[in-house]
Formats: sequence, C-alpha cells, structure tokens
Amino acid sequence: GENVEQHPSTLSVQEGDSAVIKCTYSDSASNYFPWYKQELGKGPQLIIDIRSNVGEKKDQRIAVTLNKTAKHFSLHITETQPEDSAVYFCAVSGYALNFGKGTSLLVTP
Amino acid sequence: DTGVSQNPRHKITKRGQNVTFRCDPISEHNRLYWYRQTLGQGPEFLTYFQNEAQLEKSRLLSDRFSAERPKGSFSTLEIQRTEQGDSAMYLCASSWGERNQPQHFGDGTRLSIL
Repeated sequence: GENVEQHPSTLSVQEGDSAVIKCTYSDSASNYFPWYKQELGKGPQLIIDIRSNVGEKKDQRIAVTLNKTAKHFSLHITETQPEDSAVYFCAVSGYALNFGKGTSLLVTP
Repeated sequence: DTGVSQNPRHKITKRGQNVTFRCDPISEHNRLYWYRQTLGQGPEFLTYFQNEAQLEKSRLLSDRFSAERPKGSFSTLEIQRTEQGDSAMYLCASSWGERNQPQHFGDGTRLSIL
C-alpha cells in the first residue's frame, strides 16, 4: 500500500509563531491529500485538503503546499494559538485514506 | 448534529467475548469507511462500503471481523472472540461520491479488552 511519512513527530512553538509539518508519499498516481486535526478523545477533523492539479491552497491561517514531482506536501499554520494544540495527520487517498503517524503540536502561550 | 455518529463511545469487555459497534453516517453520503487507530498511530483502513456493497477489505480485517451496511444506511462492525490486540479506537467515516472525496469522521468507539 501507499507509504506516507510524516515529520516531525512532535513540534513545540510559541503562540504567534508559525508551524510547518511535512509529509512524503510513494505512489505518484495519488491525487488527493487531506490534513486532519485530532483532539484528545475525538475523531479526526478535516481542516484542509488539496488535489494534485493545485500547488497551494489557503484557508485563513492554514495553508497546504504540494510538490508532485518530489512527492511531498506540507501544512503551514501561521499565527499559532493555544487552541491549535492537537495531533495533526496527513493522508494520501487511494480507495481509502493512508495516514501518516501524526505530529503532536504544542502551542505555548 | 448532522455529523457521523458512533455508538457506543466506549466498550469494555472480556477477552473472548463478541462486540458490535454501530456507525450512522452523514445522511446523504454513499460511502462509509471503517478505520482502526491505536495509541500514537494514524488511523488504519479496515473496510469500506459504497451504498450496501462492501468493496474493499484490508488484510487487518481477520475472519473474526465482519461488517455490514444493510440498505446502504448505518453500518455495524462486529468482532468475534475478542483478543487483547483488538484494543483500539474504531473510527467510522463517510463521504459522498466516488473516490478522492473528503471523508468526515465520527468520534469513534474505544474498545478495551480485559
């Protein structure tokens, strides 16, 4: 199946700083790349997604960039807030989603 | 709330018992997925349905696991003769249309095997 690698596994930033999480994948035929945020005791919540015909997508403080040639995509969170603290997962779509192992983001006031 | 609903939220059972979980997807969604998530890992695909048809099953889905989606609405996931290794969060997601569409997750059922 699709191999999805996600880095870093943990990330600590100060409130107001930016956070970047990177994922790489192996199947060059993949064309849908969502990002999920998971809080303790909750299911993953879709926060942004991108398709292979687009290089960048932005939604307020969150952006995703995709480099299909290099087979990697990144999540960028600007002006981080304490409520951004959670585990973030990247995923790559086949007939189902293949997830990375997650990044635990801590935003300290 | 019109999101994906899963019941029960928590299930504690003894090894060897059978358990059944229920998922109610977003009403207009034709695709329904089951995933399993263990501590510190991302969700892993188990199986999915398009309407009432079960189209794919992961190798993770041993013969002790069975899933149904009668009439293409809610779905159940049953685990027979539970083992310690079955302890995990079982997540359900739904989506509309064909592949590569946004999947929306429920809050899962946490299974603990004593």
